[in-house]
Amino acid sequence: EIVMTQSPASLSVSPGERATLSCGASQTVSGNLAWFQQKAGQAPRLLIYGASTRATGIPARFSGSGSGTDFTLTISSLQSEDFAVYYCQQYSEWPLTFGGGTKVEI
Amino acid sequence: QVHLVESGGGVVQPGGSLRLSCASSGFTFNIYGMHWVRQAPGKGLEWVAFIRYDGSDYYADSVKGRFTISRDNSKKTLYLQMNSLRDEDTAVYYCAKDYAGGIRTFDFWGQGTLVTVSS
Repeated sequence: EIVMTQSPASLSVSPGERATLSCGASQTVSGNLAWFQQKAGQAPRLLIYGASTRATGIPARFSGSGSGTDFTLTISSLQSEDFAVYYCQQYSEWPLTFGGGTKVEI
Repeated sequence: QVHLVESGGGVVQPGGSLRLSCASSGFTFNIYGMHWVRQAPGKGLEWVAFIRYDGSDYYADSVKGRFTISRDNSKKTLYLQMNSLRDEDTAVYYCAKDYAGGIRTFDFWGQGTLVTVSS
């Protein structure tokens, strides 16, 4: 199976700052990568698919980039509601696999 | 709007069985694939199973042979039959709608139902 690795495990930032989250795949997934946001006690929410396409209703401050094995999620100016755990997920091959998550905190 | 509501979670002994349900509304259920994804307490997300609109299915190795995903298109409901449950199956189980078009990701999620496997 394709192993997804996220870094860092946690990230301390201040509101208004830029956050950069990384996701690596153990083998190429082409552009078949999604990003999710999960707040405490809530279900995950789809942010990005196709490595760089924002899902419906997702603010422009969220952007995704990368292809192959290395991907990045950037939050350009953190808002208070963006503090959460972020997961990447590959859908290039079965089984579908997630990274371990990055917690973005103040 | 899309709405997914899971039910059927609870406490079960190791080796026992449980069936989860996921009632859907707000979209044409019978043309979309559906997934189950789980999250152990304090842990990350783990994909469990997927069923296509036509009933063909895929499973994570950790549940293959023990869990069965199914659907009733007339009731717009997704199911997960879980047998031979183990301690490590303890998790919140989410149903999620497939994005479709070959994009095997999850665009809408339910609120989850907690399964606890414990003696």
